[in-house]
Amino acid sequence: ILNVEQSPQSLHVQEGDSTNFTCSFPSSNFYALHWYRWETAKSPEALFVMTLNGDEKKKGRISATLNTKEGYSYLYIKGSQPEDSATYLCAFLNAGNMLTFGGGTRLMVKP
Amino acid sequence: NAGVTQTPKFRVLKTGQSMTLLCAQDMNHEYMYWYRQDPGMGLRLIHYSVGEGTTAKGEVPDGYNVSRLKKQNFLLGLESAAPSQTSVYFCASNRQPQHFGDGTRLSIL
Repeated sequence: ILNVEQSPQSLHVQEGDSTNFTCSFPSSNFYALHWYRWETAKSPEALFVMTLNGDEKKKGRISATLNTKEGYSYLYIKGSQPEDSATYLCAFLNAGNMLTFGGGTRLMVKP
Repeated sequence: NAGVTQTPKFRVLKTGQSMTLLCAQDMNHEYMYWYRQDPGMGLRLIHYSVGEGTTAKGEVPDGYNVSRLKKQNFLLGLESAAPSQTSVYFCASNRQPQHFGDGTRLSIL
């Protein structure tokens, strides 16, 4: 069983704050790192698929970085809005076909 | 284009009963996955398939069986349901990124 850890488990911020959270994963046998956004009562939706060390990806106010050598990825949200409230999942794909998910970071943005 | 469709959405079973959950995708994806989601545990992989006619065990396969007779369908079976299998089950298709269904909430009494 691979160890994929996310921190913090939950986060409360005010509207307009910028925030970031961490995903740590095994640094060996790396194939890809995924980020998903999961709103309550919906299904997870893909944000980013990252494959190269040093990768940086951006979608609107959300961006992510990847360090495969030390086994971590950061997700950043600039100027948080109430609609950003969700659980953010990272998932590690090894050279096989199995995706191992972290426990998620639950973000709540107060208006 | 429906994406990934799971049926049923909700089900209550008694201990020892059997049932099959259906996952259907219309995106011609080779890879399909079954996960369970429990409070504080995140998503855990039960079984997966890399193509029609193939299946493989994931992290928590015990008590479940799967079949992939057609490319578009991936079935998850519980032969003798146990209360420990009470969970929300998610199906996904495609390797990267994965596309998820809306989930099946299963309660076993």
